[in-house]
Amino acid sequence: DVKVTQSSRYLVKRTGEKVFLECVQDMDHENMFWYRQDPGLGLRLIYFSYDVKMKEKGDIPEGYSVSREKKERFSLILESASTNQTSMYLCASSLGGGRETQYFGPGTRLLVL
Amino acid sequence: AQKVTQAQTEISVVEKEDVTLDCVYETRDTTYYLFWYKQPPSGELVFLIRRNSFDEQNEISGRYSWNFQKSTSSFNFTITASQVVDSAVYFCALSYYFTGANNLFFGTGTRLTVIP
Repeated sequence: DVKVTQSSRYLVKRTGEKVFLECVQDMDHENMFWYRQDPGLGLRLIYFSYDVKMKEKGDIPEGYSVSREKKERFSLILESASTNQTSMYLCASSLGGGRETQYFGPGTRLLVL
Repeated sequence: AQKVTQAQTEISVVEKEDVTLDCVYETRDTTYYLFWYKQPPSGELVFLIRRNSFDEQNEISGRYSWNFQKSTSSFNFTITASQVVDSAVYFCALSYYFTGANNLFFGTGTRLTVIP
């Protein structure tokens, strides 16, 4: 069974804090993704990774960084959280290539005060 | 440019009614994939279907059916005899075939409310 897990369902942080969101998949997928979801804007791609230690910027990478040290784990880092980063963050993974389905985790609702 | 349009922002139906969610896409590529995802109140996006651009056959899965028409660049989703558990936000998405890594272009979603 396909499984993508995220470290937290809900998170509250203060402005300026460093925030780590972790995602783990157990499907041996090559590709992993981080999206944020905001009302009226749909899902927007922040970063993706097609291999260990490889990363590519998505549509809105500013203010974020990522880390992929192991194939199954993809971390999203907010170096200095700001209130405009309050959002729903969704992680996904796929086997690879444009034909493959992305499978999503349960999401993390982040509130930055 | 790739674009997915879900013109219906919100739809409400009474239980047991049929409902169709519209999806119109734009792409210059001849090879692409279309997807539908369901996002219930819990927040997780649940994969429903994937269709490639060479397969225009309609598909039925239980109460769900999908109508893919390349001539109108549409990939519509119909729920027959809707149930309260169908209440969710539904996303249509488009991806390329020839990318190094998958990149989905999502529509803005349609919120479906099924009233008991």
